[in-house]
Amino acid sequence: AQSVSQHNHHVILSEAASLELGCNYSYGGTVNLFWYVQYPGQHLQLLLKYFSGDPLVKGIKGFEAEFIKSKFSFNLRKPSVQWSDTAEYFCAVNVNRDDKIIFGKGTRLHILP
Amino acid sequence: GAGVSQSPSNKVTEKGKDVELRCDPISGHTALYWYRQSLGQGLEFLIYFQGNSAPDKSGLPSDRFSAERTGGSVSTLTIQRTQQEDSAVYLCASSFLLGGASTDTQYFGPGTRLTVL
Repeated sequence: AQSVSQHNHHVILSEAASLELGCNYSYGGTVNLFWYVQYPGQHLQLLLKYFSGDPLVKGIKGFEAEFIKSKFSFNLRKPSVQWSDTAEYFCAVNVNRDDKIIFGKGTRLHILP
Repeated sequence: GAGVSQSPSNKVTEKGKDVELRCDPISGHTALYWYRQSLGQGLEFLIYFQGNSAPDKSGLPSDRFSAERTGGSVSTLTIQRTQQEDSAVYLCASSFLLGGASTDTQYFGPGTRLTVL
């Protein structure tokens, strides 16, 4: 069965630092990939998604992610974080033959002002 | 409605009691998911309803958990004989299926925080 690994459980950065959150999945076939974000006290919401085409995906709030098939990775990046990026970030994968979407355990990001 | 709604928002129950959690998906969304969110465990997939197809129950942790979706809309997650380890936030999400696969965005509800004493 497919699975998603997020290696960083808790990340603390200062404002203006660059961010990269790791995400690896385990499935050898075609996948759809997602990053969701949960700001404090708010619902989970979609940050960006990859289905096909350009492996570099741009999402909201200056976030981007790159799908590297050979590494089974879909890391999330942002060149300069802001205090308002403090949230929990979830990577998720959906496999074409299996419609359910599986989430990673999440990464808590804390930005110091 | 404007978004996915869930009720109750909070539920405190005693060990051994049964509980029912409700989810109202976005109108027109044919896919509905239940997840469980526990501290340090991320989002644990529980069950997935896709249109009129048989639900994918592969994530249900035990036979004490069951869910149904009536009329392709509202869903109820039932936990029988609750245990303390069932304490978590139960999230519901819905999406509009595109081409028969859940490639579209999931919209999450606010969740039900279940506490089993």
